[in-house]
Amino acid sequence: EAQVTQNPRYLITVTGKKLTVTCSQNMNHEYMSWYRQDPGLGLRQIYYSMNVEVTDKGDVPEGYKVSRKEKRNFPLILESPSPNQTSLYFCASSLSLTGGGIYEQYFGPGTRLTVT
Amino acid sequence: LAKTTQPISMDSYEGQEVNITCSHNNIATNDYITWYQQFPSQGPRFIIQGYKTKVTNEVASLFIPADRKSSTLSLPRVSLSDTAVYYCLVGVSGNTPLVFGKGTRLSVIA
Repeated sequence: EAQVTQNPRYLITVTGKKLTVTCSQNMNHEYMSWYRQDPGLGLRQIYYSMNVEVTDKGDVPEGYKVSRKEKRNFPLILESPSPNQTSLYFCASSLSLTGGGIYEQYFGPGTRLTVT
Repeated sequence: LAKTTQPISMDSYEGQEVNITCSHNNIATNDYITWYQQFPSQGPRFIIQGYKTKVTNEVASLFIPADRKSSTLSLPRVSLSDTAVYYCLVGVSGNTPLVFGKGTRLSVIA
């Protein structure tokens, strides 16, 4: 089954304790992205990757890191989480079209993170 | 970054056609317009994408005027299961950040 998986689905942690949220897709997609979703703010892009070893900042990258060592995986790293990073996080992937465009993004089920 | 504006919420009765408009005044020449649907506790799901004029698929139509500064998602004959949040996304180039609107909460009433 074509899908994007994220782990963990739920995480409660404390300020400053490094954490990683994993994201994996089995569709051989070039494009991958991380979003956070907060009430009243909609979906905001954190980081995205056009392909292996290529990552770029989205709209709200502060406090986050990513890496893209393999095509299928795109982990999100919070080196020193803070309470304002409490949010619902989604990973997504998509084929890249000719000319650099992307089409349908497939979203993972989400990771609900609480930082106390 | 292309900013989008959508109505916060809409109500509709079952069986009616629903039109949700998204404003994107500073859309770039290469930008596409994409709409997603999201149910509570789930990731967004792709509905439709277009560049100009009209696009239709099995679930929706997308109308884009010549100046491309707005777009309208049309859902024919909605049912209760169409109750969800609908997001407009502009800028489907993988080389730049993607900016979602804040979404329109559609409530379908029996």
